[in-house]
Amino acid sequence: GQQVMQIPQYQHVQEGEDFTTYCNSSTTLSNIQWYKQRPGGHPVFLIQLVKSGEVKKQKRLTFQFGEAKKNSSLHITATQTTDVGTYFCAGHFGNEKLTFGTGTRLTIIP
Amino acid sequence: GAGVSQTPSNKVTEKGKYVELRCDPISGHTALYWYRQSLGQGPEFLIYFQGTGAADDSGLPNDRFFAVRPEGSVSTLKIQRTERGDSAVYLCASSSSGTGNQPQHFGDGTRLSIL
Repeated sequence: GQQVMQIPQYQHVQEGEDFTTYCNSSTTLSNIQWYKQRPGGHPVFLIQLVKSGEVKKQKRLTFQFGEAKKNSSLHITATQTTDVGTYFCAGHFGNEKLTFGTGTRLTIIP
Repeated sequence: GAGVSQTPSNKVTEKGKYVELRCDPISGHTALYWYRQSLGQGPEFLIYFQGTGAADDSGLPNDRFFAVRPEGSVSTLKIQRTERGDSAVYLCASSSSGTGNQPQHFGDGTRLSIL
């Protein structure tokens, strides 16, 4: 079936450093959503990207959707301890079910 | 307002038993989704309801798994003859429509442990 891969699987950063996670699909996505899951919590919706080459910002978070709509990235500037968690991308292939990526687990060293 | 509610929060049972997991979505949300999440993995799609009907059940792993949503609101995921491999967190999510461009709102999940 169609899969969405994410790298890296884990990322440990010093507080204040930047963080980036990458999401890749072998086939074109209709749209991509990003979710954050805190330890012990449930996924929480962050944003949706629909258009080719789209860039959206939420404070220190920048989300990009690739020109071919096969990849996406999430960049966090100057990480804080509140950023700890696992970040998932999730894509729609046409009108099919939402397929989640493997996730990137971010830990912050104070 | 209230979010997605799932009960029980934890369920421990023996292999071979039958379990029911309940999901109460956000009021007015027509789309409801069930996912299964194993440790260190992303949520894995099981089934999607639009109203009362199952619009896509392609993620159900086998015929031991069944889900219903008889009145288009609360949904129950049913697992027969449970196996140890069924142990996971079962997440429910709802969205205002099932068109594929709406955020999904997740409940806290039911942690199912099969001994």
